[in-house]
Amino acid sequence: AQSVTQLGSHVSVSEGALVLLRCNYSSSVPPYLFWYVQYPNQGLQLLLKYTSAATLVKGINGFEAEFKKSETSFHLTKPSAHMSDAAEYFCAVGTGTASKLTFGTGTRLQVTL
Amino acid sequence: DAGVTQSPTHLIKTRGQQVTLRCSPKSGHDTVSWYQQALGQGPQFIFQYYEEEERQRGNFPDRFSGHQFPNYSSELNVNALLLGDSALYLCASSLRGLILYEQYFGPGTRLTVT
Repeated sequence: AQSVTQLGSHVSVSEGALVLLRCNYSSSVPPYLFWYVQYPNQGLQLLLKYTSAATLVKGINGFEAEFKKSETSFHLTKPSAHMSDAAEYFCAVGTGTASKLTFGTGTRLQVTL
Repeated sequence: DAGVTQSPTHLIKTRGQQVTLRCSPKSGHDTVSWYQQALGQGPQFIFQYYEEEERQRGNFPDRFSGHQFPNYSSELNVNALLLGDSALYLCASSLRGLILYEQYFGPGTRLTVT
């Protein structure tokens, strides 16, 4: 079985500040990990993915995430927040031959002036 | 290159009715997965279709069924609708056999059951 925990359902940062969205996973086999972003009334867009290659993964829009096996974490960061980053962010895990994704409950990012 | 498309965009149904949602995968993709996203929650996996067969299923009752056509498009059917079925239904497509399980999501169909 696999699961994802996203700490903090709401995160608020000032424009230009560091963005840190937390994700911890549980998996009995080596995981594949993903971050998706969802803007209001839209579907999910893939930000980045970890697939057992480099532990530091760079994605679109300046986001990156680091896979830490010892901490079972895959936190999402961005050095400088922009107003357009305001959205809902979901961490997801997939494992083995099961290509279904298990999602966390999401973190709503608010960016203030 | 067309992405994943879903229809209709919005739907309102009454308890006990049946509904059919449709999905066309991204060009070149052969696998379709369906997810249910309740308000304020993350998407929950319903099932996945490949080669016109259901390959994986999440923890959803038999009222939820699907179909995949030879052109890889897919339908999600829900019978005997309950108020709790109100949600955003997301379709995701991928190319089976390609590692990384990268799934591309459509904009979703918002179903409201009254």
